[in-house]
Amino acid sequence: QQQVKQSPQSLIVQKGGISIINCAYENTAFDYFPWYQQFPGKGPALLIAIRPDVSEKKEGRFTISFNKSAKQFSLHIMDSQPGDSATYFCAAMDQGGSEKLVFGKGTKLTVNP
Amino acid sequence: KAGVTQTPRYLIKTRGQQVTLSCSPISGHRSVSWYQQTPGQGLQFLFEYFSETQRNKGNFPGRFSGRQFSNSRSEMNVSTLELGDSALYLCASTGDHRGNTEAFFGQGTRLTVV
Repeated sequence: QQQVKQSPQSLIVQKGGISIINCAYENTAFDYFPWYQQFPGKGPALLIAIRPDVSEKKEGRFTISFNKSAKQFSLHIMDSQPGDSATYFCAAMDQGGSEKLVFGKGTKLTVNP
Repeated sequence: KAGVTQTPRYLIKTRGQQVTLSCSPISGHRSVSWYQQTPGQGLQFLFEYFSETQRNKGNFPGRFSGRQFSNSRSEMNVSTLELGDSALYLCASTGDHRGNTEAFFGQGTRLTVV
């Protein structure tokens, strides 16, 4: 049973455009939602994270939007650059429970120059 | 501060063999988690150790085991390897108290079973 659903599987945007990746979760006990960026041959790197007491968090060109009632959250990459081309994973965790990360299946982002 | 170090980076093993992978967490971190990454299943949680105790375990067979040492270094072992165990095995290091949940991953060990 997939507890975090991520879409799209792949995404192609032009340089300077906005990349949007969406995730939906089922477990209402989840209270920590990080996004990871992974380049080929590397481990996932923490990009940005949000907790459900806020609806939006911005760090540079990266923004997480969070909708608690819809159980959805999304990553927006503004002014996308070729160097952003990577696979992005959303994840969720129940900090009071098992503290394991439950990952989405990933989105392969390609930013064309 | 050094990051999470996993050794070896690459391994090729034969079906039926066993393998041990090693993870050194970020200095000061006491929690180590292991994940399996495959193209089909994505990233799946294996187990988590804190202060030498397994706190959580994922839905993997008993062939997958792990341990943590007093210096927080961790090892995972897979016995009786199967072709389907071919994957990238990732170790994540987390801070020393509940609520500090930022997990930092190593580069992984790429295991190929032939």
